[in-house]
Amino acid sequence: GEDVEQSLFLSVREGDSSVINCTYTDSSSTYLYWYKQEPGAGLQLLTYIFSNMDMKQDQRLTVLLNKKDKHLSLRIADTQTGDSAIYFCAETMYNTDKLIFGTGTRLQVFP
Amino acid sequence: GAVVSQHPSWVICKSGTSVKIECRSLDFQATTMFWYRQFPKQSLMLMATSNEGSKATYEQGVEKDKFLINHASLTLSTLTVTSAHPEDSSFYICSARDVRGRGVQPQHFGDGTRLSIL
Repeated sequence: GEDVEQSLFLSVREGDSSVINCTYTDSSSTYLYWYKQEPGAGLQLLTYIFSNMDMKQDQRLTVLLNKKDKHLSLRIADTQTGDSAIYFCAETMYNTDKLIFGTGTRLQVFP
Repeated sequence: GAVVSQHPSWVICKSGTSVKIECRSLDFQATTMFWYRQFPKQSLMLMATSNEGSKATYEQGVEKDKFLINHASLTLSTLTVTSAHPEDSSFYICSARDVRGRGVQPQHFGDGTRLSIL
């Protein structure tokens, strides 16, 4: 079945790097996504990676994918207070439009 | 680009009222839109997939007579919560996929509607 897990909470100091981890169980995943949700708002697409890639970098964001271990991570360099939010990883499987979301990680950045 | 507008953002109404939520793709066309429900401090739960010009596909356990979905055009889907009760209070979020172009077409989300039933 489909199961996407994340750690619930991460706290970092402003200026440090943040690493948010995600594990998934379905090996037929085609795309994996990272979304950001601020309080009371919808989801903002941050980045995505195709399942045959190992890494993708987009400005302060670096996504690493270990397909063998079914592990996905999002690294935020030089974390700012504005990065405080809930981060969701999500996957889609072959031949489907559906997104399967992780449990979400609340990132808190303190000065 | 890829902006999804959801309206209203917050609604409070009495038990027994029906509430309609709109989801619009503002600068792209979407043959498929999705409706999610999110409980406090939890992840998103897919309720249904809305297909333009055809019936919605509901996830297991979601009552289609309770949550009516209409997708009459390529830029608008509506969710109507019929005869709402306090247990229907939740945060409802829609998303849409851009049909143009090739390659990955990620879902773009609206800002959500907070529904409170008294």
